[in-house]
Amino acid sequence: DVKVTQSSRYLVKRTGEKVFLECVQDMDHENMFWYRQDPGLGLRLIYFSYDVKMKEKGDIPEGYSVSREKKERFSLILESASTNQTSMYLCASSQGSNLWGTDTQYFGPGTRLTVL
Amino acid sequence: AQSVTQLDSQVPVFEEAPVELRCNYSSSVSVYLFWYVQYPNQGLQLLLKYLSGSTLVKGINGFEAEFNKSQTSFHLRKPSVHISDTAEYFCAVKGGGKLIFGQGTELSVKP
Repeated sequence: DVKVTQSSRYLVKRTGEKVFLECVQDMDHENMFWYRQDPGLGLRLIYFSYDVKMKEKGDIPEGYSVSREKKERFSLILESASTNQTSMYLCASSQGSNLWGTDTQYFGPGTRLTVL
Repeated sequence: AQSVTQLDSQVPVFEEAPVELRCNYSSSVSVYLFWYVQYPNQGLQLLLKYLSGSTLVKGINGFEAEFNKSQTSFHLRKPSVHISDTAEYFCAVKGGGKLIFGQGTELSVKP
């Protein structure tokens, strides 16, 4: 079974702090994704990566950056956390080098981040 | 641009009753459609997907969905729900290399 793990289930940070959310997948997947989930808005794509050291902006990249130094690990970084970044953050991965394909995305359990 | 609309934000239903969760999409190209389920305090799990072929797609846990191109819909159905089906359900369309999600429907199954 594919396993996507996220470093924390719950996280509380203060405004202005730098926040790192880590995601690791164990199935040698090419593609990795970061979403945020908010009530009534569904999931919105923040960033994705289709290869090591490659990254692409999603629909809401402002205030976030990402890092993918190794194939299995994809980190989301909040340079200076703000209260409007309080949300559930979900990581996902999918197989294959073709983003246009039909590969299933596998999700981690999520990190619920609260910024005070 | 592709988009997905889930027409009901909440669907309450009694155990053993049938249920339909509605999803409409807009797309000018070939569509790949998905339904995901999120149980409380968990990530998303794939229920089923439509890529091509038969318009009736069967998924896990007794769910099925029908792709209707003329109505641009991909409604999810189950003939008899269980308490354990209580969860949030997301419809999604693949577009531009990305999954575009609907707003989600909370299914609440009551005894």
